[in-house]
Amino acid sequence: AQKITQTQPGMFVQEKEAVTLDCTYDTSDQSYGLFWYKQPSSGEMIFLIYQGSYDEQNATEGRYSLNFQKARKSANLVISASQLGDSAMYFCAMREGIGTSGTYKYIFGTGTRLKVLA
Amino acid sequence: EAQVTQNPRYLITVTGKKLTVTCSQNMNHEYMSWYRQDPGLGLRQIYYSMNVEVTDKGDVPEGYKVSRKEKRNFPLILESPSPNQTSLYFCASRTGRTNSPLHFGNGTRLTVT
Repeated sequence: AQKITQTQPGMFVQEKEAVTLDCTYDTSDQSYGLFWYKQPSSGEMIFLIYQGSYDEQNATEGRYSLNFQKARKSANLVISASQLGDSAMYFCAMREGIGTSGTYKYIFGTGTRLKVLA
Repeated sequence: EAQVTQNPRYLITVTGKKLTVTCSQNMNHEYMSWYRQDPGLGLRQIYYSMNVEVTDKGDVPEGYKVSRKEKRNFPLILESPSPNQTSLYFCASRTGRTNSPLHFGNGTRLTVT
């Protein structure tokens, strides 16, 4: 079963507008972490923001904020004041429970491609 | 400069010819992992390692091997590559803290013909 769902394959936003990228997750763990990464056309993976399952406040990093709704199992990324350089693929990811070696697995969504229009 | 270095960046090979993609990090990170990225599927974890000599399977380990003999290196080995392993591969590392983000290498684009 898919554990990270990003339902928006592609989105457009006007420059300087805000945009919300959706992410829902499924886990039975009490302790988990949620991440957002940006992948520009050059291909590298850039970390944007992190939210822990026990964090009571929504995470913010500059123009990025994470709208964390634990009961609904959603962790949407909000980008304020979009810029042309925000055009990229965005991945939501979850660090979930402990594997057999005592380590953690990461699960990524299928991504949302954002295009910022001038 | 703190970084994760993957080599090679591009690799074209033929079915069945063993290959190794190297990954090295200079941040003294305990955790290292490998992912493959395919269109429409996002990134999928292949293997991960919490520390030297400790490795575990991710979601798509079939056809891959890894080893962690040194803390800084985590090579990905394809003993007998097949065309369905054509993909973009990423290595990543992070500290032992669970809220630490993954630091990714620049990726290796592998084509198996």
